[in-house]
Formats: sequence, structure tokens, C-alpha cells
Amino acid sequence: DAKTTQPTSMDCAEGRAANLPCNHSTISGNEYVYWYRQIHSQGPQYIIHGLKNNETNEMASLIITEDRKSSTLILPHATLRDTAVYYCIVRSSSSPQGGSEKLVFGKGTKLTVNP
Amino acid sequence: DGGITQSPKYLFRKEGQNVTLSCEQNLNHDAMYWYRQDPGQGLRLIYYSQIVNDFQKGDIAEGYSVSREKKESFPLTVTSAQKNPTAFYLCASSATGGGNTQYFGPGTRLTVL
Repeated sequence: DAKTTQPTSMDCAEGRAANLPCNHSTISGNEYVYWYRQIHSQGPQYIIHGLKNNETNEMASLIITEDRKSSTLILPHATLRDTAVYYCIVRSSSSPQGGSEKLVFGKGTKLTVNP
Repeated sequence: DGGITQSPKYLFRKEGQNVTLSCEQNLNHDAMYWYRQDPGQGLRLIYYSQIVNDFQKGDIAEGYSVSREKKESFPLTVTSAQKNPTAFYLCASSATGGGNTQYFGPGTRLTVL
């Protein structure tokens, strides 16, 4: 029941920018877009999140379209260690009544960075 | 990762035995979570706790039990009642309040023989 759609796989050359798209056409006004990645046999690693504005941190940039129906995660200079499955997740900014703040992970995009 | 530890990384048990997975965090987070991940699948929530001495069932709690006696610790017991216990188990924590980022531990891979 993931609310996002991502390509199954992508390739990128080492040193080039990796642009990972995500569609979230049913996103509502109080929902954030989160990105995590999971390297094989490790726990998911938080990358970045945003609501409306573009965001940048030491790991990546997040570009959210004006209508908020899609976003792109940008790794500016991909390295071999960026090879992982990248998950785009939509989650509310407020706690659900009587419920948990579980994260719903879809299948994600398998990014392979090639030498 | 980064302040959340899970041990051991790999665990093997015989069918019918209970096993307890450890999760510790030093991030001063009130909320802690246990997820299960099967090969090629997303994460499913087992149990979560928003405060010490309180916890709630997630989507797949049957066959599992937890305790939250200390803020830093949230151990998960996989009982013999769990039909398919072999999986990758992930612990996470976050500050309480809406929409706070969850941070994950490195995971424990449990194999039941």
C-alpha cells in the first residue's frame, strides 16, 4: 500500500549525477516526502526529506515539483558506495490518531553505480 | 544506524525455540519500532513503543512479544508461535511527535533451522 511509484532499477556512471524520480500523485497537503536507501544486508539509511521547498544536505538534494506530485533525489557525484535500493516514502507530518507512525516502504529503485 | 545498535548481526535457532533480539539506542528517543523484512519485500511493522512501559501491536504482531522497561532498550522476542520467523529484523527509533524521522539500526538476520 505504498503511495509512491519508482522505477525498478537505474544505472549511473561513477562521478556523474544520479537522478532518481518518484511519483506521488495522491500526496496530501500535510505529507512529507522522505528518502531512505538500503545497502544490501544493512538497515535503511535516512537521506533527506521535504515538504514543498527543495532541500539539500551533505548527502543529496531533493527537488519537489510545484504541484508536489513528483520529486527527484539527486546524488551529485555518485560513487560505487552509493549502489543501493532507494526508497521514496510519503508520510504525514502529524501522528495518526490511535495509530503508529509506521513507514511504508515500496519496492524502491535499485541504483547501480558503474565504474 | 548512528546511535542504534542491534545484536547479534546473524542468529541461528532451531525450530520451536524462542529467541530474543536486542535493540539499544543512545539518541534519547522516546519512540522505538520493530520491523520485519523478507527478501525483495518492503518493511512490515511488528511492534512499536512511544514511551517507556507502553507498546502497541503493529501489522504483524502475532508470534512476537516486546518489552520497554528502559528508554534505551526495546528487545523483541520471536516465539515458537511465529510460523515463518526466518527474516531480517530491523529496529528503529525517533523522537515523538508528528512526522519525526525514524533512524534504523543495522539489523539482525534470523534463520530458523
